[in-house]
Amino acid sequence: DSGVTQTPKHLITATGQRVTLRCSPRSGDLSVYWYQQSLDQGLQFLIQYYNGEERAKGNILERFSAQQFPDLHSELNLSSLELGDSALYFCASTKGQGSNYGYTFGSGTRLTVV
Amino acid sequence: TQLLEQSPQFLSIQEGENLTVYCNSSSVFSSLQWYRQEPGEGPVLLVTVVTGGEVKKLKRLTFQFGDARKDSSLHITAAQPGDTGLYLCAGGEMNTGFQKLVFGTGTRLLVSP
Repeated sequence: DSGVTQTPKHLITATGQRVTLRCSPRSGDLSVYWYQQSLDQGLQFLIQYYNGEERAKGNILERFSAQQFPDLHSELNLSSLELGDSALYFCASTKGQGSNYGYTFGSGTRLTVV
Repeated sequence: TQLLEQSPQFLSIQEGENLTVYCNSSSVFSSLQWYRQEPGEGPVLLVTVVTGGEVKKLKRLTFQFGDARKDSSLHITAAQPGDTGLYLCAGGEMNTGFQKLVFGTGTRLLVSP
C-alpha cells in the first residue's frame, strides 16, 4: 500500500456521461498530480494542485476539471465522455511542490467508456 | 513539453542475463527518476538522480544520469523473473516554477526463468 488511495478502482460508463475520480494523498503530502495512461500515449500529465491551489496544467481537455479540497483530497471530473477517454487515471502525491524527491502513485482508476 | 524517448521498447531475456535501458532527450532536466510499474498498479519509484554524471546502485540495478542531464541509463545485472515489468524514466522539467515530471515512453521487460 503506497498510502495514496484512489477510488473507484474500475469504472465502466457510456459515452456522453460524466464521472468523478477521487484521490486521497499520502498523509502529510500537500501536492496532488493527475496522470492519464493509455497504451498509445504513455503517462500524460494532466494537472497539479498544491495545498488547494492549481499549480500546473498539462494536456488536460476542457471537458476535464479537477479540484483539491481543504482536507487535501482531490477529485478529477470527466464529462461528455468519449471512447478515447478510456484509460488508466493515476493520482500521485508529494510533500512539496517539486519533483526531485519522487512521486508516490496510487493504484489508479481504470475507466472504460462504452 | 520536453520529451523522453526510451529504448528498447520491449525486451525479452532469460534469467541471469544483463540488460541496459536507455532514456534520451534533447532537453535538460533538473532530475531524473526511474519507476517500475506492474500490471494493475501505479508506478513505484526506484531512484532519483539529480547531479549530472551521478551513478547510483541499488543491489543489481545501476542508474546513471548523463553529464549534460539530458539522458539516463538503467543497467540490470543477472536479471531475475521478479524484475519483469514496465520501466519508466521521468524527468523534472526545469522551465516551470512548480516542477512536474515528464514520463518516458516506457520499456517493457520480460525475464523468463
